[in-house]
Amino acid sequence: GDSVTQMEGPVTLSEEACLTINCTYTATGYPSLFWYVQYPGEGLQLLLKATKADDKGSNKGFEATYRKETTSFHLEKGSVQVSDSAVYFCALITNNAGNMLTFGGGTRLMVKP
Amino acid sequence: GAVVSQHPSRVICKSGTSVKIECRSLDFQATTMFWYRQFPKQSLMLMATSNEGSKATYEQGVEKDKFLINHASLTLSTLTVTSAHPEDSSFYICSARDGRSNQPQHFGDGTRLSIL
Repeated sequence: GDSVTQMEGPVTLSEEACLTINCTYTATGYPSLFWYVQYPGEGLQLLLKATKADDKGSNKGFEATYRKETTSFHLEKGSVQVSDSAVYFCALITNNAGNMLTFGGGTRLMVKP
Repeated sequence: GAVVSQHPSRVICKSGTSVKIECRSLDFQATTMFWYRQFPKQSLMLMATSNEGSKATYEQGVEKDKFLINHASLTLSTLTVTSAHPEDSSFYICSARDGRSNQPQHFGDGTRLSIL
């Protein structure tokens, strides 16, 4: 079956540091890939997505590139802010999944001033 | 953009009480809604898929009689936790599929359920 593996947290960084959260996947079909962000006490918000190989999703300074050869979709940001502190989920969906998302375990990011 | 409203955001009840959580799609029709449960510091666990006008499809290990799902209209799905106990305390999140959108699901803000 489909699965998503992302690095365990928490990840603690100082403000303006570089961020990378690793995400790899296995899928039976050709998946679309997503990063969701969950702020404390809230639901999930779509951060960015990529639907085919070599696509780069970007939003709010975050980027992730769909790497089919390495089955990866690592999340990166060049300079994090305190307001980026949240839990980040990597996820995928395949055409045969009936619009059901498969989530990774989540990575908590804590940015200190 | 598409918005999903979930209510209540937080509820604290005594053990044995039944609790209803509502999930509404505010500006689109959602033939399919999803209910997730999230334990502290863990990922989302899909509980069930709710289809308008038909019975929900429950994931393995989720008790149908414990977690009643009703999707009576294209904009409303409800999850009722029957005879709740402390082990049912969790964060419950709903999502809805908007066929017009390129997003697979739009998520509500979640409901924090605490059973004393």
